[in-house]
Amino acid sequence: KNEVEQSPQNLTAQEGEFITINCSYSVGISALHWLQQHPGGGIVSLFMLSSGKKKHGRLIATINIQEKHSSLHITASHPRDSAVYICAALKGGGADGLTFGKGTHLIIQP
Amino acid sequence: EADIYQTPRYLVIGTGKKITLECSQTMGHDKMYWYQQDPGMELHLIHYSYGVNSTEKGDLSSESTVSRIRTEHFPLTLESARPSHTSQYLCASNSGGQPQHFGDGTRLSIL
Repeated sequence: KNEVEQSPQNLTAQEGEFITINCSYSVGISALHWLQQHPGGGIVSLFMLSSGKKKHGRLIATINIQEKHSSLHITASHPRDSAVYICAALKGGGADGLTFGKGTHLIIQP
Repeated sequence: EADIYQTPRYLVIGTGKKITLECSQTMGHDKMYWYQQDPGMELHLIHYSYGVNSTEKGDLSSESTVSRIRTEHFPLTLESARPSHTSQYLCASNSGGQPQHFGDGTRLSIL
């Protein structure tokens, strides 16, 4: 079992829909990252959070430390949101390298 | 915008060749990382560095080696490429507890 699990693995939705991607982790963390990866392979960091909720434009990320669960929400989804969304855990102590989930392939259809 | 650069973006090369993947950042970050991503799979940390002359192996065992002679430069080397090394390699950097900035990656294919 992976230390970081994401669901769903694939998601296709219509433009305008509210999108939720979930992430559960089984290790102690100091922070959780949400990343976006486009087909060309480049990765962009969307959020880093260790508690509560963060919002940037149409994107919202929440984390519940007690339940070891985080969600990424996209409001008013648009085809340009189509990408792979990756949850990654920064473990407490030691190395700063991230432990990644497998990613959620999101397709927003016009 | 993040200023972290990887070259080449794509490389197709024969078995047995020595390969160096370049990664440079202009942000003065002390920490740098190499991740490997097989097609359709998650990324795995293979090397990291906390600063000049610091290199450590990551969670995933790799036959590659790295060096950190200058703060801005963190090259990855494969002495003798094999088809099993075919993958995407992503470099990242950060300082302190800040989010990591990622390069665009190098897609490596070994024939």
